[in-house]
Amino acid sequence: DTAVSQTPKYLVTQMGNDKSIKCEQNLGHDTMYWYKQDSKKFLKIMFSYNNKELIINETVPNRFSPKSPDKAHLNLHINSLELGDSAVYFCASSQESRGWYGYTFGSGTRLTVV
Amino acid sequence: AQTVTQSQPEMSVQEAETVTLSCTYDTSESDYYLFWYKQPPSRQMILVIRQEAYKQQNATENRFSVNFQKAAKSFSLKISDSQLGDAAMYFCAYRTSGGNNDMRFGAGTRLTVKP
Repeated sequence: DTAVSQTPKYLVTQMGNDKSIKCEQNLGHDTMYWYKQDSKKFLKIMFSYNNKELIINETVPNRFSPKSPDKAHLNLHINSLELGDSAVYFCASSQESRGWYGYTFGSGTRLTVV
Repeated sequence: AQTVTQSQPEMSVQEAETVTLSCTYDTSESDYYLFWYKQPPSRQMILVIRQEAYKQQNATENRFSVNFQKAAKSFSLKISDSQLGDAAMYFCAYRTSGGNNDMRFGAGTRLTVKP
């Protein structure tokens, strides 16, 4: 069983479209994250949810909207996609009471906007 | 804000040799966690090793070990007996011990292993 699973793994879409990326974790963790990895491999936090509550909301365009229906799921919806949104998006999870364990990452979603 | 700096964009090592990847960080906190993650071409992020700041003993995981210098805010990764499968991007990361804090990553070091 995959601990943190993201779907889809690859996503190619046209500018202006709306798309969603789904993430699910079966580790029983209480916190989930979205990170963006740009073309230079830099990883930057976008959002964090703890028990369905938004905790971290970095400066990202409001075209990006996370949704957490329960603590095992964190989805990312992107409206009006732009060329600059092309990147790899990683979902991750952790248990806040065990911070030193670090994060468990999904395998990433490569988004290409054409 | 905490920052993590990896000053070596690329490193190269001969198979079976030893290589050290550098990482420094900036923080005013006294308790925190440090991590090294590996990202092979498959792009999966894999935890290599972790260190708790209050522990003076350097962490070791098989061929991987760290040199943690808290006063110098330095956290280097040593890979011994390098193998072809060690070729990857390596990211140093920092996280405070308090709750609801995200993990901050360095820019990464691309490691090449030569046969």
